[in-house]
Amino acid sequence: QVQLQQWGAGLLKPSETLSLTCAVYGGSFSASYWSWIRQPPGKGLEWIGDINHSGSTSYSPSLKSRVTISVDTSKNQFSLKLRSVTAADTAVYYCARTEGAYGSGWVYDSWGQGTLVTVSS
Amino acid sequence: QLVLTQSPSASASLGASVNLTCTLSSGHSNYAIAWHQLQPEKGPRYLMKLNSDGSHTKGDGIPDRFSGSSSGAERYLAISSLQSEDEADYYCQTWGSGIRVFGGGTKLTVL
Repeated sequence: QVQLQQWGAGLLKPSETLSLTCAVYGGSFSASYWSWIRQPPGKGLEWIGDINHSGSTSYSPSLKSRVTISVDTSKNQFSLKLRSVTAADTAVYYCARTEGAYGSGWVYDSWGQGTLVTVSS
Repeated sequence: QLVLTQSPSASASLGASVNLTCTLSSGHSNYAIAWHQLQPEKGPRYLMKLNSDGSHTKGDGIPDRFSGSSSGAERYLAISSLQSEDEADYYCQTWGSGIRVFGGGTKLTVL
């Protein structure tokens, strides 16, 4: 059973960089893809991107120009950076796990607890 | 374009059953999806992967009250013997080449 624990700054000013990290406990770090997904207040879930242990990434086309997802295999952690944030980036951010290309598809079967990130001047 | 469509809301009485629907966009009727539950003040919970033939694989600890089925482009989540803790938002999710897509979610109210 995979457990995900995430953390990061919860209050940012416009133009700053959002930074979140997710630690993975249990399961196979190298046989999974690691993902970030967000939910703006009152809205639905939005995929941000995925990464595997070797650093191969996929990003949402709408966020690709501002997003970097990285992985630290020595710590079984992965991170999200979102540059030049605006109020529209205010959301609960979740880390998640999927088998992705290693298994039967891109199903998010383990989730972190979520981190509320508020962007306000 | 790969799109998932869900009704914004549904309601059913305590102890009753409910079917939630997720509709795949034209040309994507053979896609598998996943169902996720978002309870208030809790993180998302993976419920199941649902294939186009109706076969499904549930997540760890998901009760038998939750089941899935498929018909054409429609994917269903059935919840029987509704309990108060089933009141939550339910999202379907699928994927294509380089993209992952979520439906808009259905808010389930247990009366």
